[in-house]
Amino acid sequence: GNSVTQMEGPVTLSEEAFLTINCTYTATGYPSLFWYVQYPGEGLQLLLKATKADDKGSNKGFEATYRKETTSFHLEKGSVQVSDSAVYFCALGRDSTLTFGKGTMLLVSP
Amino acid sequence: EAQVTQNPRYLITVTGKKLTVTCSQNMNHEYMSWYRQDPGLGLRQIYYSMNVEVTDKGDVPEGYKVSRKEKRNFPLILESPSPNQTSLYFCASSLSARGYGYTFGSGTRLTVV
Repeated sequence: GNSVTQMEGPVTLSEEAFLTINCTYTATGYPSLFWYVQYPGEGLQLLLKATKADDKGSNKGFEATYRKETTSFHLEKGSVQVSDSAVYFCALGRDSTLTFGKGTMLLVSP
Repeated sequence: EAQVTQNPRYLITVTGKKLTVTCSQNMNHEYMSWYRQDPGLGLRQIYYSMNVEVTDKGDVPEGYKVSRKEKRNFPLILESPSPNQTSLYFCASSLSARGYGYTFGSGTRLTVV
């Protein structure tokens, strides 16, 4: 079946540091890939997406590239801010469902 | 404003007392889905719907029912809630199954005592 594995957190960074959150997936066929962000007490918000191999999704300074050869979709940001502190979920879309990773908490200190 | 609206936001109930969590979207989306979020387990899909009167089980459907009589509404029904259904529930909708991603509601925190 489909599955998503992402690095465990929390990831603790200082403001302006470089961020990478690893995500790998297992799926049949050609899924779409997503990153969602959840701020405390809120629902999930779509951060970025990619629908085919080599696509790069980007939004608010975050980027992720769909790598079919390594079945990965790592999230990166060049310079994090305190306001980026949240839980980040990698997800795989296939047929009518989304399969999520367990989430990675990011804590950014001033 | 395009949104998914869930009610209630918080609910405490007793074991065995039937309850319904409502979900409504105003984006004319065909796909709707329910998830539960538990610490250490992430989000798991309960049920999903591809259109009116078309629903299917997700990964953890036991103890839940859904219905899709109208395109905009997708209520989650717990006929006889048990403490292991204490969780944070999210409703979500999407224009299609692939590529668009889901828009999520704000969540319903359910406690069953």
